[in-house]
Amino acid sequence: EVQLLESGGGLVQPGESLRLSCTASGFTFSSNAMNWVRQAPGRGLEWVSAISAGGMTIYYADSVKGRFTISRDNSKNTLYLQMNSLRAEDTALYYCAKGYVTRGFFDSWGQGSLVTVSS
Amino acid sequence: QSALTQPPSASGSPGQSVTISCTGTSSDVGGYNYVSWYQQHPGKAPKLMIYEVNKRPSGVPDRFSGSKSGNTASLTVSGLQAEDEADYYCSSYGGSNNLVFGGGTKLTVL
Repeated sequence: EVQLLESGGGLVQPGESLRLSCTASGFTFSSNAMNWVRQAPGRGLEWVSAISAGGMTIYYADSVKGRFTISRDNSKNTLYLQMNSLRAEDTALYYCAKGYVTRGFFDSWGQGSLVTVSS
Repeated sequence: QSALTQPPSASGSPGQSVTISCTGTSSDVGGYNYVSWYQQHPGKAPKLMIYEVNKRPSGVPDRFSGSKSGNTASLTVSGLQAEDEADYYCSSYGGSNNLVFGGGTKLTVL
């Protein structure tokens, strides 16, 4: 059974940084592209970033480009999202999701990690 | 990239069918057969229901079906059941290595 477990969320002030982690199990992590998708409270889903299986190809939504960095450690079956210069509008539940953005779907999702940016 | 357009709400009685639309542009929905649909119950993670317009992942009931015409995709739920009450989101590959979601539709089973 595929399991994705996010961690690292919390309350930070505007301008601060935070790093999310997503630990994967139940599938061959190193063979699958991974993504971060976020959902602001009471709002819809927004794709944030994607990384290829080997980590060499990376994509970002315009809303986070230059502030967020996606990475992965295949030896640890872990996906990361480094978030810098956080803004109030980054407040959301951040999900990691397995799948290929270029095929348009994500077949497995974690339960999410809540990030709150507030002074 | 603008979000895809979905109706905010839809409803139907048990046993009936309901169709939810998802309208984009020729740069996303109309340009690729990479439309997917997700079901999200309150406080839960999204669940993939349809991918590549009309394909169902293993375990998804065949009451759920997808289609596309031009720049509009649709999700049809037949034989509505109480457990189908949830939020539904469409998404599409948007070209230029990005993915766009719809705003979501709250499906109520009357």
